[in-house]
Amino acid sequence: GAVVSQHPSWVICKSGTSVKIECRSLDFQATTMFWYRQFPKQSLMLMATSNEGSKATYEQGVEKDKFLINHASLTLSTLTVTSAHPEDSSFYICSARDGARDYEQYFGPGTRLTVT
Amino acid sequence: GQNIDQPTEMTATEGAIVQINCTYQTSGFNGLFWYQQHAGEAPTFLSYNVLDGLEEKGRFSSFLSRSKGYSYLLLKELQMKDSASYLCVPSDSNYQLIWGAGTKLIIKP
Repeated sequence: GAVVSQHPSWVICKSGTSVKIECRSLDFQATTMFWYRQFPKQSLMLMATSNEGSKATYEQGVEKDKFLINHASLTLSTLTVTSAHPEDSSFYICSARDGARDYEQYFGPGTRLTVT
Repeated sequence: GQNIDQPTEMTATEGAIVQINCTYQTSGFNGLFWYQQHAGEAPTFLSYNVLDGLEEKGRFSSFLSRSKGYSYLLLKELQMKDSASYLCVPSDSNYQLIWGAGTKLIIKP
C-alpha cells in the first residue's frame, strides 16, 4: 500500500527558532500534498495544500510567511515553522494524494512539535 | 455551509457490534471516507464510499446514502484495540476533505 513518512516524529525547540518538517511519499508520486494541524481533542485543521512545482494554497487564517511550504518534487514536501512560539506547539500531519487516483489521501504518522 | 454531525462519544462492550452514524452537508460530493485515529497518532484509512450501499471489509463495514446525506460505520466483534476516534470525512466538489471532531469510541471488557 501507499506509504507516507514524516520526519522528525517529534521535536522540541526554543521559542524564536525555526523548525523544518519533511513529508515523503515512499512508493507513489504525490501530485498534491496537504498539511494539517491538530490541537489536543480537536479536529484536524487543514493548513495548506501544495502542488508539486507551484506555490502552496493556504487556508484562511494561516500565515504563509510563518508556515513556509515547499513541494519541490513529486515525493517531498516540507513545512518550515519560522520563529516558532509556544502557541505553535501542536501535532502536524501531512497527507499525500496519489496522482493516479484523485480521491485517496494517505497520511503520514505526524510530527509533534513542542516549543518551549 | 459544510458540516458533519456524529455522536461525540460512544461506549460498547468487547465482542459486541457498534454502529456509528454520520450525517453531512457539503458543497458538492466526491465520496465519503471513514478514518480511525488513536490518541496521539495520525488518522488511518478505513473505508471509502462513493456510491450508495454497503462496503464490507473484514470486521468493518461502511454504508452510504447520498440522497439522505447519511453514512454509518459498523464495527463487529469489537476488540479493545478498537478504542479510538472514528472520523466521518466527506469530500467536496474540489476533493477537499471536510473534517469534524469524530466519535470517540470506548470499548469496555
